[in-house]
Amino acid sequence: AQKITQTQPGMFVQEKEAVTLDCTYDTSDPSYGLFWYKQPSSGEMIFLIYQGSYDQQNATEGRYSLNFQKARKSANLVISASQLGDSAMYFCAMRGAYNQGGKLIFGQGTELSVKP
Amino acid sequence: DTEVTQTPKHLVMGMTNKKSLKCEQHMGHRAMYWYKQKAKKPPELMFVYSYEKLSINESVPSRFSPECPNSSLLNLHLHALQPEDSALYLCASSQTGDGDNQPQHFGDGTRLSIL
Repeated sequence: AQKITQTQPGMFVQEKEAVTLDCTYDTSDPSYGLFWYKQPSSGEMIFLIYQGSYDQQNATEGRYSLNFQKARKSANLVISASQLGDSAMYFCAMRGAYNQGGKLIFGQGTELSVKP
Repeated sequence: DTEVTQTPKHLVMGMTNKKSLKCEQHMGHRAMYWYKQKAKKPPELMFVYSYEKLSINESVPSRFSPECPNSSLLNLHLHALQPEDSALYLCASSQTGDGDNQPQHFGDGTRLSIL
């Protein structure tokens, strides 16, 4: 069975500082994808970044980067230069190549608060 | 603005009412999804449509009835709901239902309250 674990229910960061949100996963699929989503209080789920299990380099998208350590089964999200608008719920998710019809497995989420 | 449009944004209904949630995408995606989300919890998958056919039903009660009239539209028909069905209902789409590298793109959701 596939599983995603986010161990930080809530985090605080000072504006302009970097922050790391932890995510570990478990799967027996040889091929899988890892995703991070941001959900502000307004409700929409915003896709941030993707990392494939065979990707040699860590994914980056603007201020977001994914610290992928395959042997440790971790896929931590790093947000550089935090902004007040980064305050939101962040979900790590996984999708296996052979799982049921594209089902996303979500972690419990981390609520990030950025302080001015 | 998201590329997946959901209407209405808010819905309040009684337990005997019948209503529908609508979802539309024009990205040419062939897989569409319904999720239910409670506050401070991750989304829970309800249904998956792949190429307009229902491919996954996560044992959802029959008071929720999905419909996919065409590749761009997804409806969720609601009837005789219970107070515990109050939640944020999210629609999502992806290129296809296969593969591990396709992100799902979500709409803004419908906040549903059952009186």
